[in-house]
Amino acid sequence: EVQLVESGGGVVRPGGSLRLSCAASGFTFDDYGMSWVRQVPGKGLEWVSGINWNGGSTGYADSVKGRFTISRDSAKNSLYLQMNSLRAEDTALYHCARARGYSYGYDAFDIWGQGTMVTVSS
Amino acid sequence: EIVLTQSPGTLSLSPGERATLSCRASQNVSSSYLAWYQQKPGQAPRLLIYGASSRATGIPDRFSGSGSGTDFTLTISRLEPEDFAVYYCQQYGSSPLTFGGGTKVEIK
Repeated sequence: EVQLVESGGGVVRPGGSLRLSCAASGFTFDDYGMSWVRQVPGKGLEWVSGINWNGGSTGYADSVKGRFTISRDSAKNSLYLQMNSLRAEDTALYHCARARGYSYGYDAFDIWGQGTMVTVSS
Repeated sequence: EIVLTQSPGTLSLSPGERATLSCRASQNVSSSYLAWYQQKPGQAPRLLIYGASSRATGIPDRFSGSGSGTDFTLTISRLEPEDFAVYYCQQYGSSPLTFGGGTKVEIK
């Protein structure tokens, strides 16, 4: 079964750090671009960051640029999001998503994980 | 950044009726890199349409997408009970990738 499972969410104080993980299974991880998309409960979707199939190209939303870093490990079939200098407005459910092609852009997201919740609060 | 505006915000319809959802972009969406997703409460989004008009795997043919440039439409020909949900458009041809604010299709 093709599956993405996120982990690493939790409660963190403003200014703190957190590292999210996304474990992929059921497909050849190296063949696909990947992204993180977040959603405040009850609100809409916001693309956060993306990475192409080999990690050679990455992209970020302006709201997280300079604070978040996306990476991937083909040996572990895993996607990561290192989040530093966290703010209250980063509070959301974070989904990882697979692009239909090699790039994180130029193709839609056909597989999504259920998400991991991040709460930034003092 | 390409801003996507979806309308209406809420669509109240009965099962069997036709639903027409609009997504307007602030700039041209290159090569029709436009997708539609369906999301139900407590679930992850599901890809319905990519490339503005191509149905994703397993999506029933009552769902269709059309449009180009800055104006795109998702049509559900006859609403089934399981179609009542929130629908998002997304452009993925220009970074940052962006989503519309969503249209909720509710039972009238």
